[in-house]
Amino acid sequence: AQKITQTQPGMFVQEKEAVTLDCTYDTSDQSYGLFWYKQPSSGEMIFLIYQGSYDEQNATEGRYSLNFQKARKSANLVISASQLGDSAMYFCAMSFISSGSARQLTFGSGTQLTVLP
Amino acid sequence: DAGVIQSPRHEVTEMGQEVTLRCKPISGHNSLFWYRQTMMRGLELLIYFNNNVPIDDSGMPEDRFSAKMPNASFSTLKIQPSEPRDSAVYFCASSFGTGNQPQHFGDGTRLSIL
Repeated sequence: AQKITQTQPGMFVQEKEAVTLDCTYDTSDQSYGLFWYKQPSSGEMIFLIYQGSYDEQNATEGRYSLNFQKARKSANLVISASQLGDSAMYFCAMSFISSGSARQLTFGSGTQLTVLP
Repeated sequence: DAGVIQSPRHEVTEMGQEVTLRCKPISGHNSLFWYRQTMMRGLELLIYFNNNVPIDDSGMPEDRFSAKMPNASFSTLKIQPSEPRDSAVYFCASSFGTGNQPQHFGDGTRLSIL
């Protein structure tokens, strides 16, 4: 069974500093995708970054980067130069094939990040 | 480009009433997902469609819940009769293809059953 674990219910970071949000996963699939989503207090779910299981290089999107360590089954999100607007809940998710050829996501429990001025 | 559009944004109704949530996926996306989010259970997948066909509805909590996708640009999630424990935020998401494509979420419907 596929499982995503986020062990940090809450994190604090000083504005302009970098922060790492942890995510570990468990799967027996060879092909899978790892995603990070941001959910601000307004409630919407915003896609941030994606890493494929066969990608050799870590994904980057602006201030977001994904530290992918396949052997350790970890996919940590690194946010550089934190901004007050980064305060939100962050979800790690993994895609897997459930039925036929269609993929679905399983989500972790989330990490609440607070950026301090 | 328009994202996933959900309506209504908020719904407050009394228990026993029928509730219909609506979703318009991103044009060109062929997979559509319905999720429920609560504090206790987090994000749960209820059902998803591929090319308008329901693929997996194992997450639908009980027979009171039903979902349809009559065409590629519209889906509904219906609860009849509604109960207070159905109160949650319901998200619709869509994605393109069957590979490792990101799902794009709508803004959600915040449902309160009194």
